Amino acid sequence: GENVEQHPSTLSVQEGDSAVIKCTYSDSASNYFPWYKQELGKRPQLIIDIRSNVGEKKDQRIAVTLNKTAKHFSLHITETQPEDSAVYFCAARGNTPLVFGKGTRLSVIA
Amino acid sequence: NAGVTQTPKFQVLKTGQSMTLQCAQDMNHEYMSWYRQDPGMGLRLIHYSVGAGITDQGEVPNGYNVSRSTTEDFPLRLLSAAPSQTSVYFCASSLMGGYSGNTIYFGEGSWLTVV
Repeated sequence: GENVEQHPSTLSVQEGDSAVIKCTYSDSASNYFPWYKQELGKRPQLIIDIRSNVGEKKDQRIAVTLNKTAKHFSLHITETQPEDSAVYFCAARGNTPLVFGKGTRLSVIA
Repeated sequence: NAGVTQTPKFQVLKTGQSMTLQCAQDMNHEYMSWYRQDPGMGLRLIHYSVGAGITDQGEVPNGYNVSRSTTEDFPLRLLSAAPSQTSVYFCASSLMGGYSGNTIYFGEGSWLTVV
């Protein structure tokens, strides 16, 4: 089945800097790659997703890139703000249900 | 439109007790699933269903049962609770069997402690 590896597990950045979280997946049939943000005590919420026919997608300060050949995808957050502090999860899905990475705890220091 | 509704939000069980976590969605989603979340382990799939009458096991199904008698409801049963089942449980749903690029929506979570 699918296996998703996520790095780093924790990340601290200064407010205004960029943050990058990287994920790799194992199943070449995977074709949908969402990213979820989870604040403390809350449910995971979708922030951006990308499908396998697209290499990059942007939404304001957030962007995702996908390299199908290398089986990795990344989340980029620019101009980080304190409210970006949360746990971020990548996930992958193809012929199997959604499989999540173990998460990255992002701390934005003011 | 309530989305995905889970009950109870908090529960304390004694070892060996049984209970059912309820999940309901009002979005006419075919796909429903249960995840558990433990520190440092991410979200792990317990069971899922692609439609009424159809269920399948995920990554960590042992100790849990599910059924899907209606499109709206997908209860998760703990047969004989163990301390290892102390976790946060999330129900999630989406359109189209969950295998395509449809957004998965999560419930608010159920915090379960087994003592």
